[in-house]
Amino acid sequence: DTAVSQTPKYLVTQMGNDKSIKCEQNLGHDTMYWYKQDSKKFLKIMFSYNNKELIINETVPNRFSPKSPDKAHLNLHINSLELGDSAVYFCASSQGGQGSPLHFGNGTRLTVT
Amino acid sequence: EDQVTQSPEALRLQEGESSSLNCSYTVSGLRGLFWYRQDPGKGPEFLFTLYSAGEEKEKERLKATLTKKESFLHITAPKPEDSATYLCAVQVTGGSEKLVFGKGTKLTVNP
Repeated sequence: DTAVSQTPKYLVTQMGNDKSIKCEQNLGHDTMYWYKQDSKKFLKIMFSYNNKELIINETVPNRFSPKSPDKAHLNLHINSLELGDSAVYFCASSQGGQGSPLHFGNGTRLTVT
Repeated sequence: EDQVTQSPEALRLQEGESSSLNCSYTVSGLRGLFWYRQDPGKGPEFLFTLYSAGEEKEKERLKATLTKKESFLHITAPKPEDSATYLCAVQVTGGSEKLVFGKGTKLTVNP
């Protein structure tokens, strides 16, 4: 019973292509996130949604567009992929509120060639 | 700017050799400090949340402590299965619930 699941696990594509990553959580949480982990393993927040509403939008190129069709799903669409977009993208969810831990998926490793 | 610094970057221990990992933070206001464990190819796994200076939490061979400027993750008599990257993160005041992560400490425990 996977709590936070992402697909695909690996994504290899060429520069200029458009790709999507899907995320689903079955924890009943209201808040979902996208984090990016670069080659130095540094995890940085990209977006956060609470009950389908965007609440955090860090300094991310507008080629990245999150979409939340319902509170259990948060997808990430990336247009015109660049070499620098290569990273591991993690989806996470939390109940929200002070001290609520994030529950992470196992990541999508994106490689842009 | 809110900042989290972890040290050392990497740590090698022999099985049974206790040690501590450090997480120092500079934030405008702390709502919580989190410790996570990350195994290769996996997402971070939640370990602890600490809220205020003086607080301690334990789980098996791990104990996390918090002061006003830093947190320590003490590992007592580690086993090879404790090998992982340990991440520290802070949740800050101000309405946003995002976590700001450090770069992690990669722990290797040799048998």
